[in-house]
Amino acid sequence: QVQLQESGPGLVKPSETLSLSCAVSGYSISSGYYWGWFRQPPGKGLEFIGSIYHSGSTYYNPSLKSRVTISVDTSKNQISLKLISVTAADTAVYFCARRYLNSVNAFDIWGQGTMVTVSS
Amino acid sequence: QSVLTQPPSVSAAPGQNITISCSGSYSNIGNNYVTWYQQLPGTAPKLVIYDNNKRPSGIPDRFSGSKSGTSATLGITGLQTGDEADYYCGPWDGSLNALVFGGGTKLTVL
Repeated sequence: QVQLQESGPGLVKPSETLSLSCAVSGYSISSGYYWGWFRQPPGKGLEFIGSIYHSGSTYYNPSLKSRVTISVDTSKNQISLKLISVTAADTAVYFCARRYLNSVNAFDIWGQGTMVTVSS
Repeated sequence: QSVLTQPPSVSAAPGQNITISCSGSYSNIGNNYVTWYQQLPGTAPKLVIYDNNKRPSGIPDRFSGSKSGTSATLGITGLQTGDEADYYCGPWDGSLNALVFGGGTKLTVL
């Protein structure tokens, strides 16, 4: 059974870098699949941040592209998210997810999410 | 503001049927597959419909999806209290070059 678990600091200061990890269990990332990051500000809807293939090729939401880096570490079986120059608008629950094999844009397995607050 | 429009809320009694609409444009719904997610309070989204009208394994056939032009619809029959959640539509948008989501619809089962 594939499971995803996000982790990282719950509080980040404005202008600093947000760094999160998503540990994957029950499946080897190097075997395939696309993996994605999403976020959800408190009380608001979902936002797609970007995705990465097991080979390392990435795609970023153009609205965040200049600040985002997504990477994969097959030795640790995890994917990572870095978001630079954060502001209060980046306060959100951050989710990692696995793209559904049978669809080009659906994600079927999600982590529980981790709340990140940007505040001094 | 989302490029997709969903009603903020829908409510119905247990056992009844409901639909949730998602209105967009040619660049998103009109030209791409639509996905629907269910999000129970305090939990991660759960995929309930993909590619407009397909159900992943484990999703009951009470859930259905359809698309016509630039609008999509999620249907739920025989409402149960466990269906009470927020529902989001989410197609790819070819103009924005990103997955986009509607603002969400809160389903209340009275």
